[in-house]
Amino acid sequence: NAGVTQTPKFQVLKTGQSMTLQCAQDMNHEYMSWYRQDPGMGLRLIHYSVGAGITDQGEVPNGYNVSRSTTEDFPLRLLSAAPSQTSVYFCASSRGQGTSEQFFGPGTRLTVL
Amino acid sequence: DAKTTQPNSMESNEEEPVHLPCNHSTISGTDYIHWYRQLPSQGPEYVIHGLTSNVNNRMASLAIAEDRKSSTLILHRATLRDAAVYYCILSKDRGSTLGRLYFGRGTQLTVWP
Repeated sequence: NAGVTQTPKFQVLKTGQSMTLQCAQDMNHEYMSWYRQDPGMGLRLIHYSVGAGITDQGEVPNGYNVSRSTTEDFPLRLLSAAPSQTSVYFCASSRGQGTSEQFFGPGTRLTVL
Repeated sequence: DAKTTQPNSMESNEEEPVHLPCNHSTISGTDYIHWYRQLPSQGPEYVIHGLTSNVNNRMASLAIAEDRKSSTLILHRATLRDAAVYYCILSKDRGSTLGRLYFGRGTQLTVWP
């Protein structure tokens, strides 16, 4: 099992550009989520999905879009990048129950100039 | 959502036990107590979780106060690899916040050789 994979590992964007952060898991998990982590801070939930075709907003959804067309993939789209979106982005997956262990990917470090 | 309070930092010597405290005075009956840790430049990883009873696994032990308003993560013999940020998190098993983790700033554990 590869677990949770994220691409790219690093990305530099200019203000106003758009891009998609990729996340995939091979554990057949129903629940997937995206977090961002700013320097010296804990993780904040951006969007999450409880299954294919179902997504919902977390704490900080503005400026981000998600979709879940398959169980395996949960891409995060930045519509028009802003310097405030400079952060490390983590994708996570779990079986879905609140007590289930969440597995995190290695992260994508995004810089917006 | 119920919040947790942790010390910003703690230190330990290698091979000594470490007790990481967490206060959650507004915990509700359906909140599970989770601990995750984040090694430098990595995504968080699951450590342990519990509801009311003390829990043990290969990584650590979780001691939960009888009134559930506090808990302690116990690392029985700290190693250098245990140096990380430790997050104490409350998560509901059901309902609208199913599976969502709310991270605070956590406790930075330093382990000295």
